[in-house]
Amino acid sequence: QKEVEQNSGPLSVPEGAIASLNCTYSDRGSQSFFWYRQYSGKSPELIMFIYSNGDKEDGRFTAQLNKASQYVSLLIRDSQPSDSATYLCAVTGSSASKIIFGSGTRLSIRP
Amino acid sequence: KAGVTQTPRYLIKTRGQQVTLSCSPISGHRSVSWYQQTPGQGLQFLFEYFSETQRNKGNFPGRFSGRQFSNSRSEMNVSTLELGDSALYLCASSSGLSDMNEQFFGPGTRLTVL
Repeated sequence: QKEVEQNSGPLSVPEGAIASLNCTYSDRGSQSFFWYRQYSGKSPELIMFIYSNGDKEDGRFTAQLNKASQYVSLLIRDSQPSDSATYLCAVTGSSASKIIFGSGTRLSIRP
Repeated sequence: KAGVTQTPRYLIKTRGQQVTLSCSPISGHRSVSWYQQTPGQGLQFLFEYFSETQRNKGNFPGRFSGRQFSNSRSEMNVSTLELGDSALYLCASSSGLSDMNEQFFGPGTRLTVL
């Protein structure tokens, strides 16, 4: 079992709709959870981080964390074509300074 | 505030050679992590340095090594290059404090091994 699992996609969502990206992790001791966006040919860009159970909102983005289910998700409201990218879920491992990445979900927003 | 910088941006080497990559973190950040990204394996953790000490290490062979200087700049070295080492090498900078470990990536160094 991979430490951090994501559906590779592609996930196709119409413009203006809500895109929902999901991630599960295996280490119950994980404390920090991150979502990165990576455009083709570019480096990952941090868009959200969450440390506590529940929801955290930042503009059009909402991160949701459920530690009991070992599940973290990212919702993107009012999806725009510029949101088309690969979204990487990342989780701290046995050490808070070691971050494990999922393989990413490719999101495509269709006009 | 300046972001994370990496040099060089592109490198072409041949098998058996060695290579050194450099990373300068965000000012004030003391932690630098290195990752290898390939299409097949995704983003894989190499190692993390904090205050000149290697704090964490991934599952890479000893050909991959690194170090960090007193100004927090870090270098990564790969010896005896293999074709499979062709990848995008990314470094990420963070404060290094356990409750503020958001990492910010540099633009990466694309290494091609021929």
